[in-house]
Amino acid sequence: DAKTTQPPSMDCAEGRAANLPCNHSTISGNEYVYWYRQIHSQGPQYIIHGLKNNETNEMASLIITEDRKSSTLILPHATLRDTAVYYCIVRIINQAGTALIFGKGTTLSVSS
Amino acid sequence: DGGITQSPKYLFRKEGQNVTLSCEQNLNHDAMYWYRQDPGQGLRLIYYSQIVNDFQKGDIAEGYSVSREKKESFPLTVTSAQKNPTAFYLCASSLFPNTEAFFGQGTRLTVV
Repeated sequence: DAKTTQPPSMDCAEGRAANLPCNHSTISGNEYVYWYRQIHSQGPQYIIHGLKNNETNEMASLIITEDRKSSTLILPHATLRDTAVYYCIVRIINQAGTALIFGKGTTLSVSS
Repeated sequence: DGGITQSPKYLFRKEGQNVTLSCEQNLNHDAMYWYRQDPGQGLRLIYYSQIVNDFQKGDIAEGYSVSREKKESFPLTVTSAQKNPTAFYLCASSLFPNTEAFFGQGTRLTVV
C-alpha cells in the first residue's frame, strides 16, 4: 500500500481556510485518497475521498494533483470545532484481505 | 438511528483477567474492524472481518481474540496474554472493505 506523509501539526485562525497537505508519491492507479478526522477522545469521522478528480462535500474539498502524488484537504472556513487530528489514507476500495490503516495524522489547531 | 454502538465507554479490569468489548452495528455492513489507540498515537489495526464467520489478524493481534457469529456483532476479547492492554479501543464498520468506515465512540480500557 502507498504510504502517506503529513506534517505533524498545523495552526489556523478561525474563519480562515485550513489547507492540510498529504504526500503519497507511491500511490498506484487504483488507490483512492481518504480523509478522516478525530476529535479528542472520539471515534474518527469520515470527511471525504477521491480518486483523481477534485471532490467537494458539505464538510470539505479535496484537491488531488494531476500526477496524484499529493493532495490537499481544504476546510474553507475553519471553526474552533475543526480542531482535531486529520488522517490521510490511500487504499484500494473493496480489496479483499485489507483494511484502512491510519498513520499519526496532522493535528490541526484552530484558534480565535 | 443507524450506527455503531460500543459498550461500555469506560472499563476497568484487574491484571490477568480476560475482558470482552462489545461492538454492534445496525448499518447492514459486511466489514467490521477493531483498532487500538495509545496516547498521542494513531490507530493500529487489531482484527478485521469482511464477512460472517471469517476474520483476519491485523498488525497487533497478539493477545486479542474476536468472533463474528452475526453480521451485526464483532466482539473483541482482550486476554491476559496482552502485555499492555490499557488503551482506547475503537470499532468500525464499512459496507465493503475499505469503503467509507463508520466508527463507534470507543471503549477506554484501564487494567490495574
